[in-house]
Amino acid sequence: AQTVTQSQPEMSVQEAETVTLSCTYDTSESDYYLFWYKQPPSRQMILVIRQEAYKQQNATENRFSVNFQKAAKSFSLKISDSQLGDAAMYFCAYRSFYSPTSGSARQLTFGSGTQLTVLP
Amino acid sequence: ETGVTQTPRHLVMGMTNKKSLKCEQHLGHNAMYWYKQSAKKPLELMFVYSLEERVENNSVPSRFSPECPNSSHLFLHLHTLQPEDSALYLCASSQGIAGGKYNEQFFGPGTRLTVL
Repeated sequence: AQTVTQSQPEMSVQEAETVTLSCTYDTSESDYYLFWYKQPPSRQMILVIRQEAYKQQNATENRFSVNFQKAAKSFSLKISDSQLGDAAMYFCAYRSFYSPTSGSARQLTFGSGTQLTVLP
Repeated sequence: ETGVTQTPRHLVMGMTNKKSLKCEQHLGHNAMYWYKQSAKKPLELMFVYSLEERVENNSVPSRFSPECPNSSHLFLHLHTLQPEDSALYLCASSQGIAGGKYNEQFFGPGTRLTVL
């Protein structure tokens, strides 16, 4: 079974500065997807960024980028030019690539989350 | 309405009550999910429905009973719950159930359930 670990329960960053959230995972699979979700106080879980394991290039979405280290099984999220609206709980998640018979492909495995505070 | 909606947003119930949570998706997806989010714990997958058929049940107690009458609606019927069932219940939908790129899960805002 896959596991996802977020070792930083809480982080803070000054507005306009850059912050990096850590995520490590454990899997024996070679093909999979990794995601970062954001959950603001409204509780709506929002997809921030995704990465396909077979792609070496790190995914980027505007101010959000990842550092994907497949050999180290590490998937960190970098937020540049932090804004007050970035304050939220951030979850790292793993999903298997495809399996017509295995239920694991249907399931997102989440880490325990990192609460990010943005200081004005 | 767009995306995934859930009602009610907040629910307080006694241990002997029967209530239902409702989820509706307006994305044309054919797979729907129930997750439980408890404090200080990762999200836990409860049920998966694909084309109105339940395809996964992650050892959820029978006091939780899901229902998927069509691909746009998903219910979670609750009866004789315990205080430890208090949590945020999140609904999600996706285009399919395989772990493909285009099967990302989109989440609703959740129902905050308190069991007294």
